[in-house]
Amino acid sequence: TQLLEQSPQFLSIQEGENLTVYCNSSSVFSSLQWYRQEPGEGPVLLVTVVTGGEVKKLKRLTFQFGDARKDSSLHITAAQPGDTGLYLCAATPDSWGKLQFGAGTQVVVTP
Amino acid sequence: DTEVTQTPKHLVMGMTNKKSLKCEQHMGHRAMYWYKQKAKKPPELMFVYSYEKLSINESVPSRFSPECPNSSLLNLHLHALQPEDSALYLCASSRDLGGWGQETQYFGPGTRLLVL
Repeated sequence: TQLLEQSPQFLSIQEGENLTVYCNSSSVFSSLQWYRQEPGEGPVLLVTVVTGGEVKKLKRLTFQFGDARKDSSLHITAAQPGDTGLYLCAATPDSWGKLQFGAGTQVVVTP
Repeated sequence: DTEVTQTPKHLVMGMTNKKSLKCEQHMGHRAMYWYKQKAKKPPELMFVYSYEKLSINESVPSRFSPECPNSSLLNLHLHALQPEDSALYLCASSRDLGGWGQETQYFGPGTRLLVL
C-alpha cells in the first residue's frame, strides 16, 4: 500500500494549458516535498511545505499543503514544454529518514 | 549551494567486478542516503547515515556495502552484482533527520549502473 497516493499517473497537455497534480495520504506529515525528475537524472527539489494551509509560489508553479498536513497539490499555470518531467511528492512520516515517495506523475507538455 | 555530486555518471561492470560509487556534499548536512531507482518507478531507500553512523539498512543484500568516511563523503561499494541490480543509484543529503523541513533531501544526479 502506497503511503502517498499521487494522481493522475500521467498527464499530456498542450503548451499554455493549466494542470494540477494531487498527493494524498491518511498520515500527517511535518513537511512534504515536491520534486521534478528528468530521465537519467536525480530528482530536483522544487519546494518544501511545512505549515498546514501553506501556499507557496515558484514562478508558474503553485504548491498547497492541506490544513491537516495530510495532502498537497501542485498547480502549473500556462504550462511550457520545459515543464515536462516526472513529478514526485515525498514526505517522511516519522523522524528517522525514511522518505516515502508517491508513485509519480509523468507530465508531457507538447508545443 | 544545494549541490550533491556523484561519480561516476555511468558505470558498466561484470558480475565478478568490484567497483565503488562516490557521493559528496559540502552543505554541512549530517544525514546522507543511498537510493536505487528503476525506470518509471520512484526511488527506493537503501541506506541512511546520520552523523557518519549507519542508521537504516533497508535489508539490502551484502553485495552492496556502504561507507561514510567523513561527514561530506558517502561511498557505495559494489561486489558480485547481478544483472537485476542495474539501475540508477542516487545519493541524497539532508540537514538532519528531524522534522519540520530539516529532513528535506537534496539529490545528486545519480550513477547509471549496468551489470552485465
